[in-house]
Formats: sequence, C-alpha cells, structure tokens
Amino acid sequence: GAVVSQHPSWVICKSGTSVKIECRSLDFQATTMFWYRQFPKQSLMLMATSNEGSKATYEQGVEKDKFLINHASLTLSTLTVTSAHPEDSSFYICSASPLDGANVLTFGAGSRLTVL
Amino acid sequence: SQQGEEDPQALSIQEGENATMNCSYKTSINNLQWYRQNSGRGLVHLILIRSNEREKHSGRLRVTLDTSKKSSSLLITASRAADTASYFCATGGGNKLTFGTGTQLKVEL
Repeated sequence: GAVVSQHPSWVICKSGTSVKIECRSLDFQATTMFWYRQFPKQSLMLMATSNEGSKATYEQGVEKDKFLINHASLTLSTLTVTSAHPEDSSFYICSASPLDGANVLTFGAGSRLTVL
Repeated sequence: SQQGEEDPQALSIQEGENATMNCSYKTSINNLQWYRQNSGRGLVHLILIRSNEREKHSGRLRVTLDTSKKSSSLLITASRAADTASYFCATGGGNKLTFGTGTQLKVEL
C-alpha cells in the first residue's frame, strides 16, 4: 500500500532557528501533499496544500513566510518553520494521495517540534 | 474551522464491549471517511462511505451515514485493547479533508 515517510519524527531546537521537515511518498507519486498541525488532544488543522512545481496554497491565518513549503518533486514536500518560537511547538503531520486519487489520504507518522 | 464534531469526546470501555462514536457535519458531502490515530502518530484510513450509501462494514467496523441528519457513526464491535486510539471523521473533496474534533477511545483489559 501507499507509504508516506516523514522526517524527522521529533526535533528540539532553540528559539530563532529554522527547522525543516520532510515528507516523502515512497511508492507513489503525489502532485499534492497536505500539511497539518495538531495540538495535544485536538484535531488536525490544515495549514497548507503543497503543489508540485508551484506555490503552496495556505489556509487562512497561516503565515506563509513563517511556514515555508517547497514541493520540488512528485515524491517530496518540505515544510520549514522559520525563526521558530516556543508557540510553534506542535505536532506537524503531512499527507498525500496517489495520482489516481481516491480521496483517501496516506499520512506520515508526524514530526514533534519542540522549540526551547 | 472544523467541519465535523464528534461525540463523545472520550470513551472508556472494557475489552469485548462495543464502542460507538458519532460525527456530525455541516455541509453537503460526497463521502465521509473515518481515520484512526494512535498517540503521537499519523492517521490511518479506516473506511470511506459514499453519500449514496447508508451503511458499510469492514471487519469489526460498521459505519452508518444519514445525510438527512448530516451525521455518521462508527461502531467497533468486540473491542480490543489495541483499538485504543483517537478516531476522527473527515469530509471534503479533492483530497482536501477537514477533520472532526475526534473521539479518544480507551479499551481496558
């Protein structure tokens, strides 16, 4: 079945630094990937839609200069949290769907970011 | 904003019992999906039910959909400790899904 790999699974960084999270579709190609943010015991909040070869589409209220998304190939999307602050600490999850897209998403295992 | 709201928010049952969780949504849909999330992990797709379907089964899972009430339910029969997880309903199109608030299920031995 479709597999999405997300790396790193957890990261701790100092305030002011930037952190990059990778999302790879291992056995399928995805023109679109999605990035979510999840706070403890809460639901997933869609941050942005990552489009291969073009700019990402951000949800209302999500700062695109803060959360840089690059989708350079059909199997890789990256999320960079720039100048991270403690309030950016969260669980970030990516998802993707094969090109023949049955509206069913495959999720990465998530990345836990802790900003000190 | 979240499309779906789920209840209960948390559910604790004994192994072997059935677990039922409900999801309500606000707009018209083409389909509704249920996902499971183990603590600190990504989501796993469980089942998709189309708007023209009323009930669907997959193993120990039974999903119902009532489009007139804009609601869906997920029933897990003969629960196991390994079913302990959070369960989310999701709606949307073009792979852009909006998730419900989730039900945290705990199955105790």
